[in-house]
Amino acid sequence: QKEVEQNSGPLSVPEGAIASLNCTYSDRGSQSFFWYRQYSGKSPELIMSIYSNGDKEDGRFTAQLNKASQYVSLLIRDSQPSDSATYLCAGGASGGSYIPTFGRGTSLIVHP
Amino acid sequence: SQTIHQWPATLVQPVGSPLSLECTVEGTSNPNLYWYRQAAGRGLQLLFYSVGIGQISSEVPQNLSASRPQDRQFILSSKKLLLSDSGFYLCAWSVGAPTDTQYFGPGTRLTVL
Repeated sequence: QKEVEQNSGPLSVPEGAIASLNCTYSDRGSQSFFWYRQYSGKSPELIMSIYSNGDKEDGRFTAQLNKASQYVSLLIRDSQPSDSATYLCAGGASGGSYIPTFGRGTSLIVHP
Repeated sequence: SQTIHQWPATLVQPVGSPLSLECTVEGTSNPNLYWYRQAAGRGLQLLFYSVGIGQISSEVPQNLSASRPQDRQFILSSKKLLLSDSGFYLCAWSVGAPTDTQYFGPGTRLTVL
């Protein structure tokens, strides 16, 4: 059973701080990983994808992948109240399967 | 650019009534299509996925069914709704390799009373 695990939170950080969201996965064959943001009552929207070990930066967001340790993280710099949402981690399909695996999500609260 | 549509946006149905939710994708050909359900406070549950017209794979046995009558159209149906079918139904698409990114539609919020 392929699993992607996330701490449900909530993770509470003050405005301007760095929020660190973590995710672990069980399938060593997973080749790609994704972070989505989901506001309450809305559908998930893609923040970024990462395929290789190391860091990938996009604006205030940095995704980190460590395949040896099987974890993925998302750092949000200069957190804003508008970043308050649930963040979903997903492990891409492997072995020819079209089925990605999603974590349950971590709730982030950025307070002024 | 690609866009994905779902309708209706919200739906309130009595137990035992039928269901039909529709999803269409524009701006791409031969997409992989997915139906998910997200119950209140829960994670995403993959219900069905399709890699081509008429090709449907079911992930969770239940009273729901899916069809793909056209390349960019994906339909979720039920003959008789249960209370447990309430939730947020999301359609998603991807193209190319299985590792490609999924993009989600706006969703349909279904309440079964």
